[in-house]
Amino acid sequence: EVQLLESGGGLVQPGGSLRLSCAASGFSFSSYAMSWVRQAPGKGLEWVSAISGSGGSTYYADTVKGRFTISRDNSKNTLYLQMNSLRAEDTAVYYCAKHYGGYCSSTTCYGLDQWGQGTLVTVSS
Amino acid sequence: QSVLTQPPSVSGAPGQRVTISCTGSSSNIGAGYDVHWYQQLPGTAPKLLIYGNTNRPSGVPDRFSGSKSGTSASLAITGLQAEDEADYYCQSYDSSLSGSVFGGGTKLTVL
Repeated sequence: EVQLLESGGGLVQPGGSLRLSCAASGFSFSSYAMSWVRQAPGKGLEWVSAISGSGGSTYYADTVKGRFTISRDNSKNTLYLQMNSLRAEDTAVYYCAKHYGGYCSSTTCYGLDQWGQGTLVTVSS
Repeated sequence: QSVLTQPPSVSGAPGQRVTISCTGSSSNIGAGYDVHWYQQLPGTAPKLLIYGNTNRPSGVPDRFSGSKSGTSASLAITGLQAEDEADYYCQSYDSSLSGSVFGGGTKLTVL
């Protein structure tokens, strides 16, 4: 059974930093791209960042580019999101999610077939 | 404002058929990128409902179907059931943004 377990959320002051982790099990972790998707309270889903299976390619939404860094440790089956210079508008539940293939191939970009339960990040003074 | 446009809400009576539209542009759906649909029940994580425009993952009832044409896609739900009451999101890739994009979401109410 595929499991994705996020951790690391919490309350942080504006301008602060936080690192989220996502422990994966039940599948060949290094074979699949992974993404972070967030959902502000009462709002819709927003894609944040993605990383290829090898970790060699990374992708970011414009809203977080230059502030957030996605990475993975395939030896530990763990995905990370380092969040710096946090703002109030970054307050959200952050989900880690698995793509059902790579991120994109020459003909398609893959959807997200498994999701974690989410971890809440609150940016407030 | 989302790159992919969905109606904020739709409703239908049990047993009826509803459709949810997802309108994009020439840099996402119209460029040929696949559309995926997710169902989010209250208080839970999203679940993949339709992938690759028309495909259902194992375990998703055949009451759910997807289609795509031009710069738009649609999710159809037939034989509405109370348990279908949820938020539904479309998702694709946008070449101008070089990243994935979601629709704003549609709340389905079963009357």
